[in-house]
Amino acid sequence: KQEVTQIPAALSVPEGENLVLNCSFTDSAIYNLQWFRQDPGKGLTSLLLIQSSQREQTSGRLNASLDKSSGRSTLYIAASQPGDSATYLCAPYNTNAGKSTFGDGTTLTVKP
Amino acid sequence: DTGVSQDPRHKITKRGQNVTFRCDPISEHNRLYWYRQTLGQGPEFLTYFQNEAQLEKSRLLSDRFSAERPKGSFSTLEIQRTEQGDSAMYLCAGQGPHANTGELFFGEGSRLTVL
Repeated sequence: KQEVTQIPAALSVPEGENLVLNCSFTDSAIYNLQWFRQDPGKGLTSLLLIQSSQREQTSGRLNASLDKSSGRSTLYIAASQPGDSATYLCAPYNTNAGKSTFGDGTTLTVKP
Repeated sequence: DTGVSQDPRHKITKRGQNVTFRCDPISEHNRLYWYRQTLGQGPEFLTYFQNEAQLEKSRLLSDRFSAERPKGSFSTLEIQRTEQGDSAMYLCAGQGPHANTGELFFGEGSRLTVL
């Protein structure tokens, strides 16, 4: 059974800082890993999808890396802004299970 | 806009009542997933469909829960005899057309409050 851990659970930074969110998973037989953003009371918005054959994926100020063999992914946010304040969730997709498993997320607060 | 819509967005009901949620993915989503999320936790898998076939149900789904996806289009999730512990956000996600390469696209969720 896949288990996903996200560290830290919460993070508060001043505007402009670069930051790293961590995601670890126990079953490395994944096909892809997706990072999501969730605002309070809302659904999940997809940020980045990394296929298992990829090491990195970039979108604007976001960069996600994947080390499948060690069961780790990181989400790097450059030059953080107050609008980045949200909960960030990672979800590896296991082919044998046919589904994605979520961590409990990292809640980010960026102070002006 | 992910193209996945859920209805209703909010539902308040009394314990013991039945509720039904609906999810409309886009036509290319051959897979459809239901997840449940409680405050401060990540989404937990409930069940998923490949077209109209329900391929897996989580042990979280008691006999009071049932899901359908007739004709492989929209899906419904029904909860019978609701309990206070059913209060949560119910999330629907579409995936496809190639399940093992595609992204998950979530709707805005249906929030259930059981009084």
